[in-house]
Amino acid sequence: QSALTQPASVSGSPGQSITISCTGTSSDVGGFDYVSWYQQHPGKAPELMIYEVTNRPSGVSNRFSGSKSGNTASLTISGLQAEDEADYYCSSYTSSTSLVFGGGTKLTVL
Amino acid sequence: EVQLLESGGGLVQPGGSLRLSCAASGFTFSSHGMSWVRQPPGKGLEWVSGIGASGYSKYYADSVKGRFTISRDNSKSTLFLQVNSLRAEDTAVYYCAKDRAAIVGARGYDYWGQGTLVTVSS
Repeated sequence: QSALTQPASVSGSPGQSITISCTGTSSDVGGFDYVSWYQQHPGKAPELMIYEVTNRPSGVSNRFSGSKSGNTASLTISGLQAEDEADYYCSSYTSSTSLVFGGGTKLTVL
Repeated sequence: EVQLLESGGGLVQPGGSLRLSCAASGFTFSSHGMSWVRQPPGKGLEWVSGIGASGYSKYYADSVKGRFTISRDNSKSTLFLQVNSLRAEDTAVYYCAKDRAAIVGARGYDYWGQGTLVTVSS
């Protein structure tokens, strides 16, 4: 199972909005509404930010939102803050191996 | 408070074996799927294996199939991963992760342990 495709890096200034894409196939992202997004700060465990494409766990800021179109899911962070600087990973349920992650995107807040 | 505490990692020679454990508390362990996710040093996350809430359904990544075995003891709220025939490319931090639902992987992992480092080297 190949990893989902994410940009290696994105950047934005405080207050701006950024979007991270996550591209798969009809066997994973496009076939199920089971895309999740995780934030990982250096040396820390990942934290769930979005589940089932658009849902935020309690406690996660509403500045984080998710969407999906076809085989591509997206994470949008609005009103960028310094604390948002981290690595972000998407994941998708897949019919063949149960779960696959994206390669990760490093977000830099300028 | 949900807690996941991994143990069992360490330095092992190529071809060797380890048994990783994840002690869970703060939630009804038997109602949730559980998974292992690994992260090689400086690299991204890789899903390794998952097990349904009852322990009956088990799933593996192609890269570990036939070498790793996942299991759980619901009476002790503990998740296990037996890792055999280890290779250098298995070197990683291994995280256990709690599924939001009884099934594996679909609905997101809402809690993660802090990880246990497995180093495969001669």
